Amino acid sequence: DTEVTQTPKHLVMGMTNKKSLKCEQHMGHRAMYWYKQKAKKPPELMFVYSYEKLSINESVPSRFSPECPNSSLLNLHLHALQPEDSALYLCASSQATSFGEQFFGPGTRLTVL
Amino acid sequence: GQNIDQPTEMTATEGAIVQINCTYQTSGFNGLFWYQQHAGEAPTFLSYNVLDGLEEKGRFSSFLSRSKGYSYLLLKELQMKDSASYLCAVVNTNAGKSTFGDGTTLTVKP
Repeated sequence: DTEVTQTPKHLVMGMTNKKSLKCEQHMGHRAMYWYKQKAKKPPELMFVYSYEKLSINESVPSRFSPECPNSSLLNLHLHALQPEDSALYLCASSQATSFGEQFFGPGTRLTVL
Repeated sequence: GQNIDQPTEMTATEGAIVQINCTYQTSGFNGLFWYQQHAGEAPTFLSYNVLDGLEEKGRFSSFLSRSKGYSYLLLKELQMKDSASYLCAVVNTNAGKSTFGDGTTLTVKP
């Protein structure tokens, strides 16, 4: 299994909703990432987990809350989002460290109304 | 911090060769990745260079000069499906992460 899966594919939520994005990989990778990508822009790093511990938080607002329940799963909990948070949210993983080739999931297209 | 520069857009003709440049300034450099991203899809890995020189992989080659802070991605025998965004990502050991450039949107015309 050489893929990263993400659910849901699309999500529409109101500013008062609480929702979660899920990411899963079974490649034995020990580094996992969340990125935010706006149209015609590069992926913007949000969080990095290395060996299930949060190693990088790129000053992301607290309305985004990551969680790594085990080495295969990565969640992103969303609460009280703003319309400007609408974007494609990409999950990625890499072997062992945060420096390796990253395998990206297909992303969740999030719209905040 | 780091500074990564790529051209915003390029256009080339089917069957031709195109070179996409990436220049960077960073401390703790530990390699450079190239990714391809089609519109609406996730980035996919193309190449990784950590030592100076050229790495060839089929129609795609990538070059690195560490002393000049410079890399390029060379695409030969262009096909329409090569129309995509090409992202270079610089590995910074000091920061413990890779940082993406803004990407180059390549349009291949018949």
